[in-house]
Amino acid sequence: QKEVEQDPGPLSVPEGAIVSLNCTYSNSAFQYFMWYRQYSRKGPELLMYTYSSGNKEDGRFTAQVDKSSKYISLFIRDSQPSDSATYLCAMREGAEKLVFGKGTKLTVNP
Amino acid sequence: GAGVSQSPSNKVTEKGKDVELRCDPISGHTALYWYRQSLGQGLEFLIYFQGNSAPDKSGLPSDRFSAERTGGSVSTLTIQRTQQEDSAVYLCASSLSHQETQYFGPGTRLLVL
Repeated sequence: QKEVEQDPGPLSVPEGAIVSLNCTYSNSAFQYFMWYRQYSRKGPELLMYTYSSGNKEDGRFTAQVDKSSKYISLFIRDSQPSDSATYLCAMREGAEKLVFGKGTKLTVNP
Repeated sequence: GAGVSQSPSNKVTEKGKDVELRCDPISGHTALYWYRQSLGQGLEFLIYFQGNSAPDKSGLPSDRFSAERTGGSVSTLTIQRTQQEDSAVYLCASSLSHQETQYFGPGTRLLVL
């Protein structure tokens, strides 16, 4: 079993839809959880950063972490065509390397 | 300010040749990371530098891979005797310190024929 599992999709939704992206993980020591967005032929950019369990909201984006279930989610409200990208979850224990999911490719259709 | 830059953006080489990939981190960032992104494999950690030293080289896939960092700034990833399975996007990231947010460069796309 991989340390971090993420459904690669692809996921296609109409503009304005609510998008839900998820990752599961096996290492209970992970404490720091991130979501990166990667546009085609670009490097990943940090979207959301969460420490431990709970929710974090930033504009149209909400990140949720459930450590008891080893499950993290990213919700995108009122999705826009400009949200079309690959979304990568990443996590680490502390002062350790980031462990990434394989990424979910999202397309938002106008 | 300027972000992380990498060069070249694309590299095509023949099997068996050596390649050097360069990373210029954000000014003042002490930590620097190399990752590899292969089709269907996601991002895989290769090596991490704190200053000029590399406390974690655990992700380097073989002894054909090496990296150095000089002056606490620029880093070079060298792949010797390239193989076709080395074809991937090589990404560099930097952060203020090891536990801070990592900022990624655009990557170098390596194709080994």
